Amino acid sequence: SQQGEEDPQALSIQEGENATMNCSYKTSINNLQWYRQNSGRGLVHLILIRSNEREKHSGRLRVTLDTSKKSSSLLITASRAADTASYFCATDSSGNTPLVFGKGTRLSVIA
Amino acid sequence: DAGVIQSPRHEVTEMGQEVTLRCKLISGHNSLFWYRQTMMRGLELLIYFNNNVPIDDSGMPEDRFSAKMPNASFSTLKIQPSEPRDSAVYFCASRGGDDYGYTFGSGTRLTVV
Repeated sequence: SQQGEEDPQALSIQEGENATMNCSYKTSINNLQWYRQNSGRGLVHLILIRSNEREKHSGRLRVTLDTSKKSSSLLITASRAADTASYFCATDSSGNTPLVFGKGTRLSVIA
Repeated sequence: DAGVIQSPRHEVTEMGQEVTLRCKLISGHNSLFWYRQTMMRGLELLIYFNNNVPIDDSGMPEDRFSAKMPNASFSTLKIQPSEPRDSAVYFCASRGGDDYGYTFGSGTRLTVV
């Protein structure tokens, strides 16, 4: 069963705009991770945020985590056509348990 | 480092046939995960190994599915006999340690007709 649920299911924006995707989860977590999947390819790890962290940046990516609301958001700033992909959040309940993935947000960036 | 390598990339087989999917891990990674992806159910964990030992196979749908990890760098997922509902993309992923991101292979797209 999915632990994380992304919102929205699909998002279409113009190149240069910011894209925000949200993830909600049900049980306590050890860390939360975001992945990108291009069509026909495997998932690529983007960023990991630990349960005691509130915000993390990596290039044009900004991730926030609110454990009181059991939610996270992924912000992609100044989007590019190459950012078109599906984005997944994934959580684990401890360091040695496997990740459980949500169903993803399909992002389309229109040039 | 060539990353996680899966083979074959595509497999089309007839119902009832045996299917073997292969995965080569990144050197030094000690955890291996097999996932299945479909439109309806998303990414489902099938089984995972730590240090070559199967830890949890509760996600394996039926006894028709089996997985092995004969050494630290290689794993197989076998379906015997295959059924049309097994059609999906199968991914393996490895991880170098706790609190690390996963490295996924490119997947095997299985079609059972």
